Amino acid sequence: QKEVEQNSGPLSVPEGAIASLNCTYSDRGSQSFFWYRQYSGKSPELIMFIYSNGDKEDGRFTAQLNKASQYVSLLIRDSQPSDSATYLCAVTFSGGYNKLIFGAGTRLAVHP
Amino acid sequence: DTAVSQTPKYLVTQMGNDKSIKCEQNLGHDTMYWYKQDSKKFLKIMFSYNNKELIINETVPNRFSPKSPDKAHLNLHINSLELGDSAVYFCASSQTARYTEAFFGQGTRLTVV
Repeated sequence: QKEVEQNSGPLSVPEGAIASLNCTYSDRGSQSFFWYRQYSGKSPELIMFIYSNGDKEDGRFTAQLNKASQYVSLLIRDSQPSDSATYLCAVTFSGGYNKLIFGAGTRLAVHP
Repeated sequence: DTAVSQTPKYLVTQMGNDKSIKCEQNLGHDTMYWYKQDSKKFLKIMFSYNNKELIINETVPNRFSPKSPDKAHLNLHINSLELGDSAVYFCASSQTARYTEAFFGQGTRLTVV
């Protein structure tokens, strides 16, 4: 059973702090890794993707991938109350087609 | 213009009825998906079509039947609705069927009473 695991949270951080969200996956052959943000009652919104080991930065967001340890993380710098949402980790497993397997999500709460 | 659009946004219906949800994407993508998000917010893939061909068919009751008349449209028909079908159904699309990011529609909240 291919799985993606996330801590459900809530992860509570003060405004301006760094929020660190983690995700582990079961399939060592996984190729593509995505972070989606989902506000309550809304659809998932892609915020980052990463394919290679290491860090990838986009504005206040940094995705980190370690394939040997089978984990991917998302750092949010200078967290804002508007970042409060559920963050979904998604992984494309080996086997060809783009079957995105989602974790259950981590709820982030940024308090002023 | 909305990239991936679904209709209707809300659907309330009685048990035993048949209903359809429609999805259209204007991104020029080859691949479209149906996902189901249950009450615990867990998002699970149901089906995927690539250029009108069914390529992913998860363990879904055969009361659910997807149809893709062309690569820009993917519909979901559900027969004999049950209480457990209540969920949010998301349509999504991606440029290709391999290792590319998916973009989601706004979702259809189905409530079966």
